[in-house]
Amino acid sequence: NAGVTQTPKFQVLKTGQSMTLQCAQDMNHNSMYWYRQDPGMGLRLIYYSASEGTTDKGEVPNGYNVSRLNKREFSLRLESAAPSQTSVYFCATLSLNNEQFFGPGTRLTVL
Amino acid sequence: AQSVTQPDIHITVSEGASLELRCNYSYGATPYLFWYVQSPGQGLQLLLKYFSGDTLVQGIKGFEAEFKRSQSSFNLRKPSVHWSDAAEYFCAARRSNDYKLSFGAGTTVTVRA
Repeated sequence: NAGVTQTPKFQVLKTGQSMTLQCAQDMNHNSMYWYRQDPGMGLRLIYYSASEGTTDKGEVPNGYNVSRLNKREFSLRLESAAPSQTSVYFCATLSLNNEQFFGPGTRLTVL
Repeated sequence: AQSVTQPDIHITVSEGASLELRCNYSYGATPYLFWYVQSPGQGLQLLLKYFSGDTLVQGIKGFEAEFKRSQSSFNLRKPSVHWSDAAEYFCAARRSNDYKLSFGAGTTVTVRA
């Protein structure tokens, strides 16, 4: 089992460019999440999907969109990247016994 | 608003010494509580969790945490640290009827020989 996988691992964008971060899980979990991690701020929730077909905003959704493509996949899209979106992005799932499983992260730099 | 506070940004401890990391939460009712560890360049790994019941919780890697309702705290402890415990530690909480998890800002632990 791969658990939670994220692609790409690293990405450099110019301001205004768009990109999609991909996340996939093979644990059959219903809920999936996108976080960003910035120094001194912990992890902040961007969007989450409680189940296939639903998505909801978290603490910091501005500038992002998400798609829950199916039960396995949950993508995060930046339509017009800004330097403030330079961060490490983590995808996560939630198991039935309330444990979150995290992917390895995507390190994004916006110039 | 719900929040999780980790008062210590950075702690340095000698190998073999004890470690305690503080966590306070601000929720209307007792939330589910978690401690995660993140090694450099890695994702987060769950150390332990508290939902209800016994207030002393045992986790992996020799860690334990104590829930104190009167102090709204969930402090993490380890009796004797190893060099491999150097990492960043995050406390997190969520309401039992909510899918959203809130994280503290994290505490970086440095272990000196």
